[in-house]
Amino acid sequence: EPEVTQTPSHQVTQMGQEVILRCVPISNHLYFYWYRQILGQKVEFLVSFYNNEISEKSEIFDDQFSVERPDGSNFTLKIRSTKLEDSAMYFCASSERSAGGQTQYFGPGTRLLVL
Amino acid sequence: KQEVTQIPAALSVPEGENLVLNCSFTDSAIYNLQWFRQDPGKGLTSLLLIQSSQREQTSGRLNASLDKSSGRSTLYIAASQPGDSATYLCAVRDTNAGKSTFGDGTTLTVKP
Repeated sequence: EPEVTQTPSHQVTQMGQEVILRCVPISNHLYFYWYRQILGQKVEFLVSFYNNEISEKSEIFDDQFSVERPDGSNFTLKIRSTKLEDSAMYFCASSERSAGGQTQYFGPGTRLLVL
Repeated sequence: KQEVTQIPAALSVPEGENLVLNCSFTDSAIYNLQWFRQDPGKGLTSLLLIQSSQREQTSGRLNASLDKSSGRSTLYIAASQPGDSATYLCAVRDTNAGKSTFGDGTTLTVKP
């Protein structure tokens, strides 16, 4: 069964450094998402992406964050200058279309630790 | 703003018991509701998706129901097994932009 993949599985970085989290969505999917889960808290929506542009973003997704689909397969989340509070599990998801009953498929996550 | 609540926060049952997990949401104008399983430190595995026009979905020992008008969904697990031990998350998609709003989850422990 097709699946969403994410790399790296774990990333440790120093505060202030830039990180790029990578995702390969399911190949025929058109809608892409990033979520995060701070340890012990809810899964929170960050951003959705369709047709090479952001379709929605949350208040968490400030100027320090950006997303890109640099080629036909990868979908990336960049954090420009990491803060301690960015430490979380970051999940990528994709779906075939956003309306109606389409399942969101989630990747295994990247655990980011900012020191 | 959509809010999703799951009750109970934790549940411990002996193996073989049938159990019900509850999810409620504040805005009934949803497109679909999805139940996920999350093992400790791991990703989200989709269990069941219920479209807004549906009342229930079944997969094996799992049955999910949806009452959109009252803003509630339940996940019924029959004949629970220790391997069912995990956190179960409910998520609703309430716009055609497609973002999901998650509950806090119910952590289930099934004792042998």
